[in-house]
Amino acid sequence: EIVLTQSPATLSLSPGERATLSCRASQSVGSYLGWYQQKPGQAPRLLIYDTSNRASDIPARFSGSGSGTDFTLTISSLEPEDFAVFYCQQRYNWPYSFGQGTKLEIK
Amino acid sequence: EVQLVQSGGGLVQPGGSLRLSCAASGFTFTNYWMSWVRQAPGKGLEHVANVNLDGSEEYYVDSVKGRFTISRDNAKNSLYLQMNSLRVEDTAVYYCARGGARFHYWGQGTLVTVSS
Repeated sequence: EIVLTQSPATLSLSPGERATLSCRASQSVGSYLGWYQQKPGQAPRLLIYDTSNRASDIPARFSGSGSGTDFTLTISSLEPEDFAVFYCQQRYNWPYSFGQGTKLEIK
Repeated sequence: EVQLVQSGGGLVQPGGSLRLSCAASGFTFTNYWMSWVRQAPGKGLEHVANVNLDGSEEYYVDSVKGRFTISRDNAKNSLYLQMNSLRVEDTAVYYCARGGARFHYWGQGTLVTVSS
């Protein structure tokens, strides 16, 4: 089973700042990595699929990069509504595992 | 508008059974694999099972293999999760999701609590 490790566990930033979230896989997942955002009491929302493709209706301030085992989600300039928990997920090998999450909180 | 409306869930004793349902609308159900994803209280996400377009292929995470069964009724545009031999560690919010591996649309989630 592929293990995804996200860092940091918590990221404290202010609106307008740039956020960089990392996801490392225990083995290569090619480009088959996605990112989800989850707010309290809500279902997750797909932000990025296959490393760098934004899902529909996702603002351009969200971008993804990486390949193989190291991936990054970047939010260029944080808006108040961006603060949430973010999960990476691989769809390279079953079971399609998720990372443990990074909580992005307001500083 | 794509909608996934879940029903079922609730409190069940260890060893008991429960069936979750997910009614799909707003898209051609037979064009998509479907999945169940769960989230234990305060924890991360776990992809539990998925099923192919006609229900002939199913995949399960090891922790539920032999106890859970995913199925679909394409005539009713519905997805199901039959959960047997439930354990305390199965306590979670269960989400149905469109897709086998990438989830653009999710149900509202339903809480399953396994406790004596």
